Amino acid sequence: EVQLVESGGGLVQPGGSLRLSCLASRFTFSSYTIHWVRQAPGKGLEYVSAISSDGGGTYYTDSVKGRFTISRDNSRNTLYLQMTSLRPEDTAVYYCVARGVWGQGTLVTVSS
Amino acid sequence: NFMLTQPHSVSESPGKTVTISCTRSSGSIASNYVQWYQQRPGSSPTTVIYDYNQRPSGVPDRFSGSIDSSSNSASLTISGLKTEDEADYYCQSYDSSNLVFGGGTKLTVL
Repeated sequence: EVQLVESGGGLVQPGGSLRLSCLASRFTFSSYTIHWVRQAPGKGLEYVSAISSDGGGTYYTDSVKGRFTISRDNSRNTLYLQMTSLRPEDTAVYYCVARGVWGQGTLVTVSS
Repeated sequence: NFMLTQPHSVSESPGKTVTISCTRSSGSIASNYVQWYQQRPGSSPTTVIYDYNQRPSGVPDRFSGSIDSSSNSASLTISGLKTEDEADYYCQSYDSSNLVFGGGTKLTVL
């Protein structure tokens, strides 16, 4: 069964940076587009970013363009999300999603 | 760009059948696959329907999906409702490589 494990969340001040990771197992990681999706407290699901199987294509929702960078290391079966210039409205649980499977999420809190 | 609109909440009694709609604002609902996710409180979403009407292994056949081109919408139907079905349900489709989510529907089984 596909497994995705996110890490790297935490409390950060506005304007700060964080790097999230998502370690994948039990499927051919390098063959699939992988997504980051977030959920603010008490809110719905919001697409954040995606990366193609070979890393050559990246996609971002407008609110994070220029601040977030998605990348992947297929040799390590790992997806990343580098987040800079963080804002309070970025506070959310961040999930990685692949093949219809969701990780457990990692909480990012942006607050002073 | 398009939006997916779901009812904010629905409620039904155990043993009954409920249908949750997901209406696409522009472009054909049949243009891109639709998925449905279940999210119980405190848990990550799980897929209950993919590619309009396919069930992942382990999802009971009480869950079914469909699309209706006349209303440009997708639907999730849950029959034989159980209290464990009480959750938030989200539809999702694609806009190029981006995921588009509906706002979610809170299902109450009472």
